[in-house]
Amino acid sequence: SAVISQKPSRDICQRGTSLTIQCQVDSQVTMMFWYRQQPGQSLTLIATANQGSEATYESGFVIDKFPISRPNLTFSTLTVSNMSPEDSSIYLCSVEDLSREGGYGYTFGSGTRLTVV
Amino acid sequence: GESVGLHLPTLSVQEGDNSIINCAYSNSASDYFIWYKQESGKGPQFIIDIRSNMDKRQGQRVTVLLNKTVKHLSLQIAATQPGDSAVYFCAETSDHHTGTASKLTFGTGTRLQVTL
Repeated sequence: SAVISQKPSRDICQRGTSLTIQCQVDSQVTMMFWYRQQPGQSLTLIATANQGSEATYESGFVIDKFPISRPNLTFSTLTVSNMSPEDSSIYLCSVEDLSREGGYGYTFGSGTRLTVV
Repeated sequence: GESVGLHLPTLSVQEGDNSIINCAYSNSASDYFIWYKQESGKGPQFIIDIRSNMDKRQGQRVTVLLNKTVKHLSLQIAATQPGDSAVYFCAETSDHHTGTASKLTFGTGTRLQVTL
């Protein structure tokens, strides 16, 4: 299956600052997905990133707050801008995994644990 | 550090027993379902998937059952082991039939606690 490297694994940031999270995949994928997992909660999709086009954001998430880059088929970044304590969450990237028989599987990175103080 | 599943429903099972984790979904158009396991400090790990044209699929020690009539999904783990302790999420998508990857909608999750 696809292998995802996500950095940083964790960070503690001051409110008002921004953090950029990187996601590197060991194979080319068309679509990359960014999720947020708030403490003790399930995963919520932030946006879908296709190479060569603007990301598509879900309801409740906006580009100014979560700008995304997708410069090539193996890499994406998510920036959490002007952070507040409410942004403290785990942020995860995910990709389609065409190596799985009969399905995509959607492999996930290990996540970035963000704490805003 | 943050723990996954602090506020999620918990299922306690004795080692060696079978576990059944349930999930209800609301979108009748969903055509592909996945179960994930998430251990503390890690991302979700794929366990097993099932398409909507099936009602049962088996893997190694795990079985997924799909009841489209009542929009219910279950994960059965045979001979539960301490290493199975984690949070389990079901996920669904309604665009799988198009042949392209699509966003997943996740269930609320269940924390499985295996006791010795």
